[in-house]
Amino acid sequence: GDSVTQMEGPVTLSEEAFLTINCTYTATGYPSLFWYVQYPGEGLQLLLKATKADDKGSNKGFEATYRKETTSFHLEKGSVQVSDSAVYFCAPFDRGSTLGRLYFGRGTQLTVWP
Amino acid sequence: DAGVIQSPRHEVTEMGQEVTLRCKPISGHNSLFWYRQTMMRGLELLIYFNNNVPIDDSGMPEDRFSAKMPNASFSTLKIQPSEPRDSAVYFCASSMTGTADTQYFGPGTRLTVL
Repeated sequence: GDSVTQMEGPVTLSEEAFLTINCTYTATGYPSLFWYVQYPGEGLQLLLKATKADDKGSNKGFEATYRKETTSFHLEKGSVQVSDSAVYFCAPFDRGSTLGRLYFGRGTQLTVWP
Repeated sequence: DAGVIQSPRHEVTEMGQEVTLRCKPISGHNSLFWYRQTMMRGLELLIYFNNNVPIDDSGMPEDRFSAKMPNASFSTLKIQPSEPRDSAVYFCASSMTGTADTQYFGPGTRLTVL
């Protein structure tokens, strides 16, 4: 079955530091890939996505590139801010033989200090 | 446009009581998902519906849990009887079917069973 492995947190960084959160997946098909973010006390919201190999998703300074050869979708940001403190979830979308569903990773807690 | 609406936002109840959580998906979305989030288990998919029909309920923990979607604009998740281990944040999300499209999450219901 499908699964996703995320870098374990928590991750603690100083403001303006470089961020990488690793994500690898296994899938029976050719999934679309998503990163969701959950700010404290809120539901998850889409951060970025990529639907085919070598696509780069980007939003709010975050980027992730769909690497089919390594089945990875690592999240990066060049300079984090305190407001980026949140939990980040990697999620492949498996089209599969049914209607498709997202498979969420365990989430990676990010804390950014001023 | 209103997002996904969940009620109540917080629920505190005693063990053995019945709990009903409610969700109104985004108008026009025809897939609806119920998730449970805990520190120990992360984000778990409980059940999802497509066009009001349950597609996959393999994540429902046991017979004490049941979910219904009587129409396209309303769903309930019921726990009867509730137990302390059911304490969690329950999220509802909706999306368009058949595409690797974004799931939109509600703000969640924080359930505490004493």
